[in-house]
Amino acid sequence: DVVLTQTPVAQPVTLGDQASISCRSSQSLVHSNGNTYLEWYLQKPGQSPQLLIYKVSNRFSGVPDRFIGSGSGSDFTLKISRVEPEDLGVYYCFQATHDPFTFGSGTKLEIK
Amino acid sequence: QVNLLQSGAALVKPGASVKLSCKASGYTFTDYYIHWVKQSHGKSLEWIGYINPNSGYTNYNEKFKSKATLTVDKSTNTAYMELSRLTSEDSATYYCTRDSFAYWGQGTLVTVSS
Repeated sequence: DVVLTQTPVAQPVTLGDQASISCRSSQSLVHSNGNTYLEWYLQKPGQSPQLLIYKVSNRFSGVPDRFIGSGSGSDFTLKISRVEPEDLGVYYCFQATHDPFTFGSGTKLEIK
Repeated sequence: QVNLLQSGAALVKPGASVKLSCKASGYTFTDYYIHWVKQSHGKSLEWIGYINPNSGYTNYNEKFKSKATLTVDKSTNTAYMELSRLTSEDSATYYCTRDSFAYWGQGTLVTVSS
């Protein structure tokens, strides 16, 4: 199975600052059709995960442009600029290129 | 608007089975796969598998092949997941989500306890 390693485990941040989360895959996430199915989710306390970014860098409808996904192959990053209180929670990367689909272990974005 | 409404929390005894439901609305049910995801308390997420509501075709994570059975009822736009031979390791919140994971149910908490 593909292992997604997220760092850091916890990211203390000052509101208004930038946060960065890394997601490294145990193998390339480029699908045979040329697409890279790497997504980012945010799970707020007591809520279901919500999709932020799909196919590496595409923001889902309604997601602010403060969220920027980047990367290629097996190395991906989510940057959140000007962190706001509603951004706090656990961020997960997820790959749907290889069966079985797998999630990263999560990064908790918290107030410093 | 797309909505996935899951059944309520379940308390079940070890060795028993439980069937969770996920009722879809706001879109054509047969147009999108339904996936199921497990989240043990305080832990990360695990993909269980998906079902094609149109054909009934299923694809399971090998880890859950003998644990979960996915079905649908097209007449009621409802997807189901049955979990069998429950143990404490199955205590978790289970989510249904529509392909491509943009819409999620609210989750069903399953507690396995005697």
